[in-house]
Amino acid sequence: DQQVKQNSPSLSVQEGRISILNCDYTNSMFDYFLWYKKYPAEGPTFLISISSIKDKNEDGRFTVFLNKSAKHLSLHIVPSQPGDSAVYFCASQNTGNQFYFGTGTSLTVIP
Amino acid sequence: DVKVTQSSRYLVKRTGEKVFLECVQDMDHENMFWYRQDPGLGLRLIYFSYDVKMKEKGDIPEGYSVSREKKERFSLILESASTNQTSMYLCASDTGNTEAFFGQGTRLTVV
Repeated sequence: DQQVKQNSPSLSVQEGRISILNCDYTNSMFDYFLWYKKYPAEGPTFLISISSIKDKNEDGRFTVFLNKSAKHLSLHIVPSQPGDSAVYFCASQNTGNQFYFGTGTSLTVIP
Repeated sequence: DVKVTQSSRYLVKRTGEKVFLECVQDMDHENMFWYRQDPGLGLRLIYFSYDVKMKEKGDIPEGYSVSREKKERFSLILESASTNQTSMYLCASDTGNTEAFFGQGTRLTVV
């Protein structure tokens, strides 16, 4: 049973435009949400996170939005750059500290 | 610089072999995890450990075992490798209050 879902396996965006990656979760007990970025043949690296008490967190070109009532979060990248091309994983963490990952969205930024 | 190190980047093993994947972290983290990553399935938790000599099954523990004799080292063992265990294996660690840090991954091919 997939508790964290990324329904778009892939996304292509023109350089300079906005990339929006979406993630849905089912468990209302999740209290911490994270985005990881993964290049081929490398481990995922942490990108940005948000606590359930917030609805927005911004770090440079990356902003994560959380809509708790809809159990939905999104990652916005503005402006998108070719180096952003990677697989992005959404993750949720419960109070038991266990992570649940989505299936990933492969982002391609076209120069 | 925080570091999670996996002993091998690439491994090729024969069906039926016993396989050891080693992971070492230098951050004094209590929690360590083993995931596998497969296309379309995202990151799936195999086993995790929240203390030395402690282990908990994740979502897909069948065919695997783990060992944690020292805090910094977490080993994943494939008792009798099978072709359906061909995958990318990722080790991670965290304190429970932060994001997880991942190793570079081990691409295992079972022939």
